[in-house]
Amino acid sequence: QKEVEQDPGPLSVPEGAIVSLNCTYSNSAFQYFMWYRQYSRKGPELLMYTYSSGNKEDGRFTAQVDKSSKYISLFIRDSQPSDSATYLCAMSGATSGTYKYIFGTGTRLKVLA
Amino acid sequence: DGGITQSPKYLFRKEGQNVTLSCEQNLNHDAMYWYRQDPGQGLRLIYYSQIVNDFQKGDIAEGYSVSREKKESFPLTVTSAQKNPTAFYLCASSPAPGTALTYEQYFGPGTRLTVT
Repeated sequence: QKEVEQDPGPLSVPEGAIVSLNCTYSNSAFQYFMWYRQYSRKGPELLMYTYSSGNKEDGRFTAQVDKSSKYISLFIRDSQPSDSATYLCAMSGATSGTYKYIFGTGTRLKVLA
Repeated sequence: DGGITQSPKYLFRKEGQNVTLSCEQNLNHDAMYWYRQDPGQGLRLIYYSQIVNDFQKGDIAEGYSVSREKKESFPLTVTSAQKNPTAFYLCASSPAPGTALTYEQYFGPGTRLTVT
């Protein structure tokens, strides 16, 4: 079982739709939960991060962490064609003195005009 | 402008040749990382370095080597021992390894290596 699972998509939605992207994980030591956006043939860029459980909002983006279910989500409101990209979840924490920073495989999103 | 630069953007090599990928950062970050990205497999950690003159193997270090002689530079050599070297290589840095500040990694634009 992978430590982080993420549906690869592609996920196609019409412009203006609410998008929900998700990851599950197995390591309860993870404390930081991140979402990166990666445009084609570019490096990933950090969108948002959350420490421990809870919600965090930044403009049209909301990140949600449920540590009891080991489940994290990224919601995109009023999606735009410019949001078309691959979204990678990531998580970090220390396990038995070893620090880990793990990425999901990414979900490819297409927002159709 | 602060950031991470990787060169070249595209690199072509013949099988059996070693090749070195460049990574430079001017963010004054302590930690630097090399990842490999293949379709459907996400980012896989090759090597990382937390301080100058020190580095550790990641999950897929076989066939790769690195050096960290300067804080701002972390070159990756893909050797002829790497069985499947064609991939997209990403370099990243973070400000403070293994602490509460390590939620963020900053990535370079990547180098696409093709070996034939």
